[in-house]
Amino acid sequence: NAGVTQTPKFQVLKTGQSMTLQCAQDMNHEYMSWYRQDPGMGLRLIHYSVGAGITDQGEVPNGYNVSRSTTEDFPLRLLSAAPSQTSVYFCASSYTGASNQPQHFGDGTRLSIL
Amino acid sequence: GDSVTQMEGPVTLSEEAFLTINCTYTATGYPSLFWYVQYPGEGLQLLLKATKADDKGSNKGFEATYRKETTSFHLEKGSVQVSDSAVYFCALSDRDTNAGKSTFGDGTTLTVKP
Repeated sequence: NAGVTQTPKFQVLKTGQSMTLQCAQDMNHEYMSWYRQDPGMGLRLIHYSVGAGITDQGEVPNGYNVSRSTTEDFPLRLLSAAPSQTSVYFCASSYTGASNQPQHFGDGTRLSIL
Repeated sequence: GDSVTQMEGPVTLSEEAFLTINCTYTATGYPSLFWYVQYPGEGLQLLLKATKADDKGSNKGFEATYRKETTSFHLEKGSVQVSDSAVYFCALSDRDTNAGKSTFGDGTTLTVKP
């Protein structure tokens, strides 16, 4: 099993450009999340999904859109990139939403906005 | 809301030294608690977990005990190795939300020197 796969691994954008960060999992997990990791700030939740067709906002959703058309895929869209969105982005999934279930993480996308 | 506070880093130890990384939490319900480890250039991996008071999670020589009375989940290892150098994150998942997402601490960077 590949687990959680994120693409691309690295990306440099100019301010105002848009792009989509891809996330796919092959574990048949219902629950998926997007986090950003900034130095000294841990991981902050951007958006999450509890199943295909259902998404909700996390702690820092502004400037990002998500959709969940299939169980496997959960792309994150930057609408108009800003330097404040320079970060490392992680996608995570879990089989159920139960609190005792750990999340499985991808290796991250390192994004720089110039 | 939920929050997790970790001891500030970075932490530098010599090989075979004893490790403690403090973690305290605030939660409205009865959360599950996790420690994740992140090696350079990789995503987070589950290290251990505990799902109810007085539970002890353990893995690879690391241990942590869920202390409800002190709202703590401190990570310990009796003898660290160079290969333990990584960033360690304490996290909680609230039983009431049931949405497959977690709240993370800021992370503690551990460097072990030979």
